Amino acid sequence: SAVISQKPSRDICQRGTSLTIQCQVDSQVTMMFWYRQQPGQSLTLIATANQGSEATYESGFVIDKFPISRPNLTFSTLTVSNMSPEDSSIYLCSGRTGEETQYFGPGTRLLVL
Amino acid sequence: ELKVEQNPLFLSMQEGKNYTIYCNYSTTSDRLYWYRQDPGKSLESLFVLLSNGAVKQEGRLMASLDTKARLSTLHITAAVHDLSATYFCAVAQGAQKLVFGQGTRLTINP
Repeated sequence: SAVISQKPSRDICQRGTSLTIQCQVDSQVTMMFWYRQQPGQSLTLIATANQGSEATYESGFVIDKFPISRPNLTFSTLTVSNMSPEDSSIYLCSGRTGEETQYFGPGTRLLVL
Repeated sequence: ELKVEQNPLFLSMQEGKNYTIYCNYSTTSDRLYWYRQDPGKSLESLFVLLSNGAVKQEGRLMASLDTKARLSTLHITAAVHDLSATYFCAVAQGAQKLVFGQGTRLTINP
């Protein structure tokens, strides 16, 4: 199975600040994604991280709020900008292999006060 | 827009019993995934189903896909306590996006 690591694993932040989450995947992964899981809820796709170009955002998510970078095949960052308590969630990096299996990282648990 | 619905959302069962979780989806898709999530943990990939009639089994879990009915099932045989978790199905929409069901919270009692 693909190995996906994220950091930080958790953080407590003040409203109005920003947090950058890093994701590292192994070489089996061809596509990278960022998902959000709000407390007790299911998962929602934020965006597809495209190597060397702008991410593809889903409806309801915008680049100014969630800037994403993917400078190479195996690394991506998600920034949660100008945070509010409503941004308190688990943010998960995900990677898909050539065999269509899609794996998830351990998640970053964010609490905004 | 693709909608994915699971049922039941909550399931409490006794060890040794069999049960099935259902995943219905609203539009055609060529990939369906099942995941397990333990409390406070990330998602563990269980199965990827890629074609009509696909059936996969791992231990006490068996997943099947009927693309014509837009239905997948996750069958649990002779449940054991270690299978207590939340189970999600996710359906591919296009080449990139997975749309997740609400999750089924399964509790298996001794």
